[in-house]
Amino acid sequence: VLTQSPDTLSLSPGERATLSCRASHSVNYNYLAWYQQKPGQAPRLLIFGASSRATGIPDRFSGSGSGTDFTLTINRLEPEDFAMYYCQQFDGSPRYTFGRGTKLEIK
Amino acid sequence: QVQLMQSGAEVKEPGASVRISCKASGYTFTHYYIHWVRQAPGQGLEWMGIINVKAGSTSYAEKFQGRITMTRDTSTDTVYMDLSSLRSEDTAVYYCARGGEGSAWGEWFDPWGQGTLVIVSS
Repeated sequence: VLTQSPDTLSLSPGERATLSCRASHSVNYNYLAWYQQKPGQAPRLLIFGASSRATGIPDRFSGSGSGTDFTLTINRLEPEDFAMYYCQQFDGSPRYTFGRGTKLEIK
Repeated sequence: QVQLMQSGAEVKEPGASVRISCKASGYTFTHYYIHWVRQAPGQGLEWMGIINVKAGSTSYAEKFQGRITMTRDTSTDTVYMDLSSLRSEDTAVYYCARGGEGSAWGEWFDPWGQGTLVIVSS
């Protein structure tokens, strides 16, 4: 199980956002990814392997963490960053699970 | 560029089946796995299963075992997902997404198709 917090984060453009994702057991090889989803759109990969940015993702997005605790940080929020964010882990088998998401909204 | 293009919205009655297609372009189709993920209205993301596009082998989430079938047509670079015995709780947007390359399932999904809305209602 992946638990994301907070459920909703209210911030202003230019501020820093810190989103948390906690796993119920250690994530193998840091197989943890983050996605951004805007209303009416498909999710977009931001971060894979806990800390590697996907192609074309601005460097204001960064991922960190290991084991059971992971963080997505967004520096200097831009208006287009306000969206839903999901973390996802790969358990092997294969089996994939998502967190319930954090809504980043404009304050 | 890599793209996954899905078929259009569907409205089905309870008990019926639905088939959604996902056409790949911009890469060698048989080199990557394809996943299916769904999202109920206002809800989060749920992984449904994966297909090895080259071999045709599949692995499904336990929740969908017996109701889901994933196939592929390498002549048209298209993957299909069939879901049977539909119920109202299956109302959702269904996404295909590219997975790992070669023999690896892959640890993340990138890119995603645009999504297909399936409404199950009498």
